[in-house]
Amino acid sequence: EVQLLESGGGLGQSGGSLRLSCAASGFTFTSFAMSWVRQAPGRGLEWVSAISGSGNTTYYADSVKGRFTISRDNSKNTLYLQMNTLRAEDTAIYYCAKRDSTSGYLNSFDYWGQGTLVTVSS
Amino acid sequence: QSALTQPASVSGSPGQSITISCTGTSSDVGTYDYVSWYQQHPGKGPKLMIYDVSNRPSGVSNRFSGSKSGNTASLTISGLQAEDEADYYCCSYRKSSTPVVFGGGTKLTVL
Repeated sequence: EVQLLESGGGLGQSGGSLRLSCAASGFTFTSFAMSWVRQAPGRGLEWVSAISGSGNTTYYADSVKGRFTISRDNSKNTLYLQMNTLRAEDTAIYYCAKRDSTSGYLNSFDYWGQGTLVTVSS
Repeated sequence: QSALTQPASVSGSPGQSITISCTGTSSDVGTYDYVSWYQQHPGKGPKLMIYDVSNRPSGVSNRFSGSKSGNTASLTISGLQAEDEADYYCCSYRKSSTPVVFGGGTKLTVL
């Protein structure tokens, strides 16, 4: 059974940093691109970042480029999101999501974690 | 950059069919067949319903179907059931500095 378990959320200061983790199990982690998707309270979904299975290629939304860094440790089956220079608008539930194995691009996410809430205070 | 455009809300009665539209541009929906759809119930994580415009993942009811015409993708739900009441989001590849973009979401109410 595929499981994705996020951690590391909490209260962060504006201008500060937080690091999110996503522990994966139930599939061959290194074979799949992974993404972070966030959802501000009462708002819609926003894609944040993605990383290839090998970790060699990364992608970012313009809204976080230069502030957030996605990475993965395939030996630990864990995905990370280092969030620096936090802003109030980064307040959201952050989900990690696994790419679907048969889709043509990495925007098809067949498994999602339960999410971790990040609140940025000013 | 703006999100894909979805209606804020749609509604239908049990047994009816509804369609949710997702309008993009030639940089995303209009050119690439990388449109996916997600269902999200309150307090829950999203669930993949359609990928690559019209493909259904294993386990998703065949009452859900996807299509595309020009710059607009559509999700159709036939034989509406009470459990279909949820928020629905489209998502597409976009040829830009932000390669993945979501729609603003559509709240489906089953009357």
